Amino acid sequence: GAGVSQSPSNKVTEKGKDVELRCDPISGHTALYWYRQSLGQGLEFLIYFQGNSAPDKSGLPSDRFSAERTGGSVSTLTIQRTQQEDSAVYLCASSRDREEPQHFGDGTRLSIL
Amino acid sequence: SQKIEQNSEALNIQEGKTATLTCNYTNYSPAYLQWYRQDPGRGPVFLLLIRENEKEKRKERLKVTFDTTLKQSLFHITASQPADSATYLCALPPTGTASKLTFGTGTRLQVTL
Repeated sequence: GAGVSQSPSNKVTEKGKDVELRCDPISGHTALYWYRQSLGQGLEFLIYFQGNSAPDKSGLPSDRFSAERTGGSVSTLTIQRTQQEDSAVYLCASSRDREEPQHFGDGTRLSIL
Repeated sequence: SQKIEQNSEALNIQEGKTATLTCNYTNYSPAYLQWYRQDPGRGPVFLLLIRENEKEKRKERLKVTFDTTLKQSLFHITASQPADSATYLCALPPTGTASKLTFGTGTRLQVTL
């Protein structure tokens, strides 16, 4: 499809497990963002990738969170040793560059039991 | 640091009326401002971008104004319809070397028959 694709759409896991969330951005978009949105809350920035530059990791809440972007395209957000407070919707967005409007996927709803 | 505020209370209006949503910001002079729409269970969708030298911008039934003196943007939906019911987010662009948009928490609009 032409939009940003995220998988899985829903993930339920036990506390302490690791999870991987995937984002397929729009082809040709050099900028890629991860956000977290808790119920009824705003968007919390997590990490930003731009081309081959070092990512901006300033929004990652702890060292249990990491992300990578392979080949300037697909990105994976990994959460290790999940905690209940990690439960949220994780949204990915891409844009042609950081000044352009962002295109969002529909997110992965993560539930930690 | 820059701060962006949207009315956190839901806005309820009758079909056919004009809805007006407010976005206020402080400690910032943005070159532009963006508006997004978010439906439940979906990612935000870009609607409009207005630049600092544009007082007003229109797209179909949508109108956005940008007052750099008041540090405020108003988002209007004319002839509102129940399908316009959603949460509307405003966003400020990155500052300096920062990479991220700053999103407001959004205002939920409910249009009733």
